[in-house]
Amino acid sequence: AQSVSQHNHHVILSEAASLELGCNYSYGGTVNLFWYVQYPGQHLQLLLKYFSGDPLVKGIKGFEAEFIKSKFSFNLRKPSVQWSDTAEYFCAVSLFSGGYNKLIFGAGTRLAVHP
Amino acid sequence: GAVVSQHPSRVICKSGTSVKIECRSLDFQATTMFWYRQFPKKSLMLMATSNEGSKATYEQGVEKDKFLINHASLTLSTLTVTSAHPEDSSFYICSAPDTPYGYTFGSGTRLTVV
Repeated sequence: AQSVSQHNHHVILSEAASLELGCNYSYGGTVNLFWYVQYPGQHLQLLLKYFSGDPLVKGIKGFEAEFIKSKFSFNLRKPSVQWSDTAEYFCAVSLFSGGYNKLIFGAGTRLAVHP
Repeated sequence: GAVVSQHPSRVICKSGTSVKIECRSLDFQATTMFWYRQFPKKSLMLMATSNEGSKATYEQGVEKDKFLINHASLTLSTLTVTSAHPEDSSFYICSAPDTPYGYTFGSGTRLTVV
């Protein structure tokens, strides 16, 4: 069965620290990859996405992610986090299964950034 | 940009009653709508996919008779939680593809069954 794994469930950082959140997926076919962020009490927002081309993708708010096909990974990074980055982060994979495209989410990583 | 309007945002119902949640695509046609359930401090679990003009496709383990999905038009999909019980209390979110590879999410419905 297809799945998305996020290795870190909770991450606590100080401001200005670097961030890397892991994401791996299990699916042998073509995928599109996404990172979403959910701030407390708000909707999901798209941070960045990868469809094809340059495997290093830059998103909003200084986030970037790198698609490594051989590792089935799409890790999210930010060189220097801010207190306002405190949120929950979801990796998601869009794949074609059972005759249609569907979007599957990882379990999420809760990030807390301390001033 | 593309918007999916989801109503109601919050609903409290008595055990045994049914609740309908609506998702409307406001400025695009949504031939497909994904329905998710999000448990507290958990991820979004894909429940089913509704397709305009055909039966919904349910994920493994999701009760079709409890979670009725209808995709009446290119702009409206509904999820009805039938004979709701406290364990059905959750956050339900819909999502529609708005481009070949992008998705737009509704604002979610917090269902509390008492």
